[in-house]
Amino acid sequence: DVKVTQSSRYLVKRTGEKVFLECVQDMDHENMFWYRQDPGLGLRLIYFSYDVKMKEKGDIPEGYSVSREKKERFSLILESASTNQTSMYLCASSPRPPLQETQYFGPGTRLLVL
Amino acid sequence: DQQVKQNSPSLSVQEGRISILNCDYTNSMFDYFLWYKKYPAEGPTFLISISSIKDKNEDGRFTAFLNKSAKHLSLHIVPSQPGDSAVYFCAASARDAGGTSYGKLTFGQGTILTVHP
Repeated sequence: DVKVTQSSRYLVKRTGEKVFLECVQDMDHENMFWYRQDPGLGLRLIYFSYDVKMKEKGDIPEGYSVSREKKERFSLILESASTNQTSMYLCASSPRPPLQETQYFGPGTRLLVL
Repeated sequence: DQQVKQNSPSLSVQEGRISILNCDYTNSMFDYFLWYKKYPAEGPTFLISISSIKDKNEDGRFTAFLNKSAKHLSLHIVPSQPGDSAVYFCAASARDAGGTSYGKLTFGQGTILTVHP
């Protein structure tokens, strides 16, 4: 059974703080993803990674960076948090073909930036 | 530019009746489509998928339909149950010129389904 865990369920940070969101998967998946979910906008892809030390920008990468030093771990970094980054953040992973499109999600981190 | 759209923010149905959730897309390169279900305070979970070479995929009470010419997909739930109440997201995947997708998905905005007992 695939398990994707995220380091925190709820976070409250101040504007300008550096924020780290951690994601770990235990199924040896190659692909990992970071999304944010906002009402009326659905899930929007921030960054993804298809291999260790590889990263690709998604649709809304501005204000974010990522790190993938180990296959099982994918970190999302907010260099200087802003109030418009208040959101639900979801991490996901998926295997290589033939099932690569099916993604497995973590429970999410609800981030509030004050 | 929303490439995958779910135009109904919410849907309310009676237990036992059919729920029909709709999704439209604009990118003709999309060739694989998925539906996810999300309960509050949980991550989305995969429900059903359909490839562009098919027009229908059935799994128990859930059936995914694809109309490629209309760039439209739908999810039918029959019969609907109160436990089906959740947010439903459709998602689409496309391969690049080299045939690789990296599993990247484009999601719709979601539809909140409420099934009343």
